[in-house]
Amino acid sequence: GAGVSQSPRYKVAKRGQDVALRCDPISGHVSLFWYQQALGQGPEFLTYFQNEAQLDKSGLPSDRFFAERPEGSVSTLKIQRTQQEDSAVYLCASSFGGGAGGYTFGSGTRLTVV
Amino acid sequence: QKEVEQDPGPLSVPEGAIVSLNCTYSNSAFQYFMWYRQYSRKGPELLMYTYSSGNKEDGRFTAQVDKSSKYISLFIRDSQPSDSATYLCAMSPPLGQGAQKLVFGQGTRLTINP
Repeated sequence: GAGVSQSPRYKVAKRGQDVALRCDPISGHVSLFWYQQALGQGPEFLTYFQNEAQLDKSGLPSDRFFAERPEGSVSTLKIQRTQQEDSAVYLCASSFGGGAGGYTFGSGTRLTVV
Repeated sequence: QKEVEQDPGPLSVPEGAIVSLNCTYSNSAFQYFMWYRQYSRKGPELLMYTYSSGNKEDGRFTAQVDKSSKYISLFIRDSQPSDSATYLCAMSPPLGQGAQKLVFGQGTRLTINP
């Protein structure tokens, strides 16, 4: 597609529920990133894929967070047993290479845990 | 203390004014510096990308990097109401030291009044 597509745009989850957030990167983009943006804050890095390999997951806040990109294209960020502090916008970005200047961000998924 | 500090504002100026936005940082390893614009309920959009110290101009936008002071700035000339958005600074270390990972400031919310 023309841009990075994320779905759903909005998700309301009850505390303790599992959620799955999807990212469709720009076709041909090798690198894929997930960021978490809390209200009124800048995005914070969660994890990075190069093709299907997860090269950096140092930003995942707990073992309840899991990301995958099995075929090197679409990626899913899964959050198990959601907590209120997980409420945030989850942004996906892709780039052709891994360089910092080539990111294209999606519009994000706004997750609200009630 | 955060690695990247940015005044969250809000900042409100009249149309046509020159806007100055800035960030300070503590990690001397940062080599790539970016400014992103984020409209409400959208993902960040890359505005300016610079490497190391110096100035870069693109239309009404000028980015400055002063590595000796660990200080970066974005200037917007002849500001327009369509420039109203949140402006995020971001930076990353050189290749081989996690270049793929961006560290963002908190973002400055800017309003240009007609």
